[in-house]
Amino acid sequence: GENVEQHPSTLSVQEGDSAVIKCTYSDSASNYFPWYKQELGKRPQLIIDIRSNVGEKKDQRIAVTLNKTAKHFSLHITETQPEDSAVYFCAATPLGGGYQKVTFGIGTKLQVIP
Amino acid sequence: NAGVTQTPKFQVLKTGQSMTLQCAQDMNHNSMYWYRQDPGMGLRLIYYSASEGTTDKGEVPNGYNVSRLNKREFSLRLESAAPSQTSVYFCASRGLAGGQSTDTQYFGPGTRLTVL
Repeated sequence: GENVEQHPSTLSVQEGDSAVIKCTYSDSASNYFPWYKQELGKRPQLIIDIRSNVGEKKDQRIAVTLNKTAKHFSLHITETQPEDSAVYFCAATPLGGGYQKVTFGIGTKLQVIP
Repeated sequence: NAGVTQTPKFQVLKTGQSMTLQCAQDMNHNSMYWYRQDPGMGLRLIYYSASEGTTDKGEVPNGYNVSRLNKREFSLRLESAAPSQTSVYFCASRGLAGGQSTDTQYFGPGTRLTVL
């Protein structure tokens, strides 16, 4: 089955600096990679995703890159702000009809220091 | 649209008591899931339902049962609660919503369960 490894488990950055979270996956059948942000006491919420036919995707201050050959994908947050403090989860899943298992990374706790 | 809703938000049980966690979605999704979240362990899949009328075990099904009552509702039951089941429980559904072009998981607000 799929195995997703995520690191670092905790990350502290100064406000305005960039943050990078990295994930690796094992199953070449995975072709969709969402990222979730979970604020304290709240539900995980999708913030950005990427499909395997795309190498990079940006949405304002966040971007995700994918290296299919190496089975790596990363989340980049630029100009970090205190409200970016949260736990971030990467995930990997095949796309297709019927049920498809979503495998999550262990999560990265990001702290942005004002 | 309410999205994915869960009840209750909080619950305290004594060891051996039973309870049912309720989940409903109004996005017409086929797939629904139950996860538990424990510190340092990420999201672990308890059970899932690929479609109405079907359910299957995930990674950590022991001590739980589920019912997919209809397309909207997917409940999780603890028959005899144990302290090891103290956790935050999230229900999720997967499909298209909110202008997304790809099937995506959407989570409910969670149930914080403490078993004494």
